Amino acid sequence: GAGVSQSPSNKVTEKGKDVELRCDPISGHTALYWYRQRLGQGLEFLIYFQGNSAPDKSGLPSDRFSAERTGESVSTLTIQRTQQEDSAVYLCASSPGRGVYGYNSPLHFGNGTRLTVT
Amino acid sequence: AQTVTQSQPEMSVQEAETVTLSCTYDTSENNYYLFWYKQPPSRQMILVIRQEAYKQQNATENRFSVNFQKAAKSFSLKISDSQLGDTAMYFCAFISNAGNMLTFGGGTRLMVKP
Repeated sequence: GAGVSQSPSNKVTEKGKDVELRCDPISGHTALYWYRQRLGQGLEFLIYFQGNSAPDKSGLPSDRFSAERTGESVSTLTIQRTQQEDSAVYLCASSPGRGVYGYNSPLHFGNGTRLTVT
Repeated sequence: AQTVTQSQPEMSVQEAETVTLSCTYDTSENNYYLFWYKQPPSRQMILVIRQEAYKQQNATENRFSVNFQKAAKSFSLKISDSQLGDTAMYFCAFISNAGNMLTFGGGTRLMVKP
C-alpha cells in the first residue's frame, strides 16, 4: 500500500486479556516506531526498530508490553494481561531511517489502533 | 534527554485570520530537526513543516511558516489565512541527528471558527 497500515482500527478487550496490534510499514522503510497516545495527550514513545532489531526499547512501560518485527516489514505490538490504563491510541510510524536521508526524513504515521480495556 | 513544551493547550482563530502556535524545546545537542505535525480527528499524524537546525532561514510551506529561534530554543508555527480544515491537534516534535526517537510536545488543539 501507499501508506502505513495498522490493524485493527479499534479494539475493545476485557481487562486481563492479551491483545496484538499490527503495523504494516511503507515498503522499503527500515525504521519503525510505536507510540502511545492517551486521550487528549501527546505521543509517548514506546519502541523503535531498525530493520528487525530493536535498539531502543526504553519506552515500553512494563514487561507486559513486547514488540517484534519480521522480514524488515510487519511489526506486532503485544500487550499481555491488559489493564484499563492501557486504553489509548497506539500509533505506528515508519521512515527510511539511516541511509541517504539520515534523520531528516520525516516519520509517516498510520491511523492508529484505538484500544479500549473494559 | 530532550523535552518539548507546548504551552497552549487550546487556541481558536477566525477563518481567514492568522494564528501562531508556540513550541519550546530543551536540548544540549547542536544538530537536530524540528517538525510540526497535524492530527485531525482521523487520528493520522500529517507532517506540516520541518526545519533543520543548521539552517538559519525559516521554513515555509504555503500558508504555514515557522519562526525558528535557535538560541532561545523556540520553534513557533504560523498559519496564515486559516481555513476550517486546519482545525486539528498540532504537535511540535524534535529529533537529534544522533537520536532514534522523535520527541513530541503535548499538543495544541486549534479550532478555526467560521
